[in-house]
Amino acid sequence: AQSVTQLGSHVSVSEGALVLLRCNYSSSVPPYLFWYVQYPNQGLQLLLKYTTGATLVKGINGFEAEFKKSETSFHLTKPSAHMSDAAEYFCAGNNAGGTSYGKLTFGQGTILTVHP
Amino acid sequence: EAGVAQSPRYKIIEKRQSVAFWCNPISGHATLYWYQQILGQGPKLLIQFQNNGVVDDSQLPKDRFSAERLKGVDSTLKIQPAKLEDSAVYLCASRQKTGGHEQYFGPGTRLTVT
Repeated sequence: AQSVTQLGSHVSVSEGALVLLRCNYSSSVPPYLFWYVQYPNQGLQLLLKYTTGATLVKGINGFEAEFKKSETSFHLTKPSAHMSDAAEYFCAGNNAGGTSYGKLTFGQGTILTVHP
Repeated sequence: EAGVAQSPRYKIIEKRQSVAFWCNPISGHATLYWYQQILGQGPKLLIQFQNNGVVDDSQLPKDRFSAERLKGVDSTLKIQPAKLEDSAVYLCASRQKTGGHEQYFGPGTRLTVT
């Protein structure tokens, strides 16, 4: 069975500072991994995804994430935080095959606060 | 391209009442998902449809929850009777049948059971 763990339920940064949101996964097969962002009273918006190929993936709004198989991690980063980045971020994964194909397992979420 | 549509956006009911949520996925997306998101938690899959067939409903509380996707397009999720612990946001998502492993989410329906 797959699980996704996000380290830190709340992260606070200053505007212009580095954003680092941590995500680790456990899976018996290589997973597909995703980061979603959720603004208040809205659905989830895809930031970026890793399926195969290049392990450093770039997404929207200046975010990127690196898939590290040896560390079972998929941390999300952004070099310089903007006030508009304040939201809740979810890491999610699914198995590349098998009966659970397509089923997403989500982490608990990390609320990002950006201070002026 | 229109996104995933859901209605209503908000619903308040009393416990033991029934409620229904509607979802219209992105055109051409064969796979449809219903998730329950309790405050402070990540979404949890309730049921997954491939066209009009159920692929996974292992986490659906079948004594009170039901869902259908009769024509392989729109879907309805029903709760009858509702309990206080059903208060949550109900998210609908859809995905292409081939390639594009990501899911696209609707705005959700926030249910409050009093």
